[in-house]
Amino acid sequence: KAGVTQTPRYLIKTRGQQVTLSCSPISGHRSVSWYQQTPGQGLQFLFEYFSETQRNKGNFPGRFSGRQFSNSRSEMNVSTLELGDSALYLCASSLEASGGTNEQFFGPGTRLTVL
Amino acid sequence: AQSVAQPEDQVNVAEGNPLTVKCTYSVSGNPYLFWYVQYPNRGLQFLLKYITGDNLVKGSYGFEAEFNKSQTSFHLKKPSALVSDSALYFCAVRGTSGSARQLTFGSGTQLTVLP
Repeated sequence: KAGVTQTPRYLIKTRGQQVTLSCSPISGHRSVSWYQQTPGQGLQFLFEYFSETQRNKGNFPGRFSGRQFSNSRSEMNVSTLELGDSALYLCASSLEASGGTNEQFFGPGTRLTVL
Repeated sequence: AQSVAQPEDQVNVAEGNPLTVKCTYSVSGNPYLFWYVQYPNRGLQFLLKYITGDNLVKGSYGFEAEFNKSQTSFHLKKPSALVSDSALYFCAVRGTSGSARQLTFGSGTQLTVLP
């Protein structure tokens, strides 16, 4: 069974631009969560989607948004990029929505660099 | 709000020696606890989880973890460390209601196994 895939793997943008990251979950998984990983802040939860609905949202500004499609693939968008948005963005999928007992399976991440 | 503490940023151990990576948590109600490992430039890999039942949980690659409710701890252990175990380890907790259902990660512990 294929794992979680994320595209692109690396991205370089400049301040003020916007970016869209994509995540394809493991087949059959309906929950997709996004995390931001930085050396200073560690792993921070962005949001979770389940069956095309946002279930939970972390403490990030409105510049960070996401969506999920009917095939469970998810995208996250960051508008008006800031230098501090440079990070590894991780996507994770699981069988059931958050609160369940299933573990999450992570993709390799997208490394975003904002210049 | 739930939280996870990994008190050691760095743990060094000689190959063949037992290793312990510490984790304490705070959450309302019964916790679901997880350990993940991250290798350089990779996403997180699931190691093991505690949901209920036996306090000693066995996971992948010979790792195990002991749940201690009175001490609110979930330490990761391995009887004999390998150089290939060198990686970044994350403990995570999930509550069972409201926003606590999202996964909250600790700050991570860098494990180095010395040959």
